[in-house]
Amino acid sequence: NAGVTQTPKFRILKIGQSMTLQCTQDMNHNYMYWYRQDPGMGLKLIYYSVGAGITDKGEVPNGYNVSRSTTEDFPLRLELAAPSQTSVYFCASSLGQDQETQYFGPGTRLLVL
Amino acid sequence: AQSVTQLGSHVSVSEGALVLLRCNYSSSVPPYLFWYVQYPNQGLQLLLKYTSAATLVKGINGFEAEFKKSETSFHLTKPSAHMSDAAEYFCAVSDAAGGFKTIFGAGTRLFVKA
Repeated sequence: NAGVTQTPKFRILKIGQSMTLQCTQDMNHNYMYWYRQDPGMGLKLIYYSVGAGITDKGEVPNGYNVSRSTTEDFPLRLELAAPSQTSVYFCASSLGQDQETQYFGPGTRLLVL
Repeated sequence: AQSVTQLGSHVSVSEGALVLLRCNYSSSVPPYLFWYVQYPNQGLQLLLKYTSAATLVKGINGFEAEFKKSETSFHLTKPSAHMSDAAEYFCAVSDAAGGFKTIFGAGTRLFVKA
């Protein structure tokens, strides 16, 4: 099993550009998550999904969109990149909620200039 | 609402010394508690978790943590630090009232001196 994979690993965007961060898991997990990690701030939940076709906002959803057309894929879309979106983005998945372990991808480092 | 506080953004120990990373939580219902570790340029991986069974939880790489309800704490310890333990450690909490959301602490970076 590859686990959770993310592409790209690193990207530089200009202000106003758009891009999609890809996330795929091969563990047949229903639950998937997008977090952003800023220095000294821990991880903040952007969006999550409890199954194909179902998504919901997390703590910091503004400026982002997601979709979940399949169990495996959970892409994160930035429509109009802003410097405040410079961060490291992590995708994660879990078998269930609450007490279940989350499995993380290696992250995408995004720089918006 | 849930919250997690990790005391100390940086901790430095000598190789072979005791590692103690502090975590206090707030939860209105019985919590599930986690410690994750992040090595440089990698994603987080689970060290151990408490899910209302034994209060002393043993994890990978010799780490353990004890759930103390009276102190609302879940401190992470390891008797003898190894150079390979240098990483960032995150405490996290979730509960049935949190609605699928796990709350992560700000993280503690552990430095191990030779």
